[in-house]
Amino acid sequence: DTGVSQDPRHKITKRGQNVTFRCDPISEHNRLYWYRQTLGQGPEFLTYFQNEAQLEKSRLLSDRFSAERPKGSFSTLEIQRTEQGDSAMYLCASSLNSQGSYEQYFGPGTRLTVT
Amino acid sequence: RKEVEQDPGPFNVPEGATVAFNCTYSNSASQSFFWYRQDCRKEPKLLMSVYSSGNEDGRFTAQLNRASQYISLLIRDSKLSDSATYLCVVNYSSYKLIFGSGTRLLVRP
Repeated sequence: DTGVSQDPRHKITKRGQNVTFRCDPISEHNRLYWYRQTLGQGPEFLTYFQNEAQLEKSRLLSDRFSAERPKGSFSTLEIQRTEQGDSAMYLCASSLNSQGSYEQYFGPGTRLTVT
Repeated sequence: RKEVEQDPGPFNVPEGATVAFNCTYSNSASQSFFWYRQDCRKEPKLLMSVYSSGNEDGRFTAQLNRASQYISLLIRDSKLSDSATYLCVVNYSSYKLIFGSGTRLLVRP
């Protein structure tokens, strides 16, 4: 399967713990995105990378959140001191930055539950 | 006001019916438009891009009206497998997709 992959698929953690998620994009895609989705809502943009550079961060991404893409391939999203409000599906997407094409392809997501 | 607004539904239709969804967007600078499909507890999957001239892919037809800032999706000959949430999506920054909250479709036998 050459699609976007994410790990883990599910994570249950206690409030105050740190969690880290991983995303592996489609191999030839140079852009990688993180979104968050809560029940009954569409995904909301968190941040994106072009190669290894993080170019944009949403206001939704508080200081407790950090994302990296150290070699321009896979990316990690870390949440420190988790809160119950962080419970959501965290989706990763990737795209090929070509002229006029903005189609993004999503991974299966990591479902986070903070107890 | 939300940037992308959709009727949440659910639209409950019999197999073989034709159903249409609309969505409106607020940013006139929007450049690209898409419909994604999302099954329960799964990731969104790109259904089709929406072009100014309108486009069709099998039983699915998408239309864009830039003057009125709305996008539509028409599904003909509905199948049970079409049951899902359909997300209207716009892009005006080349990187950030703005999603509507989705319209639920239930196709019954």
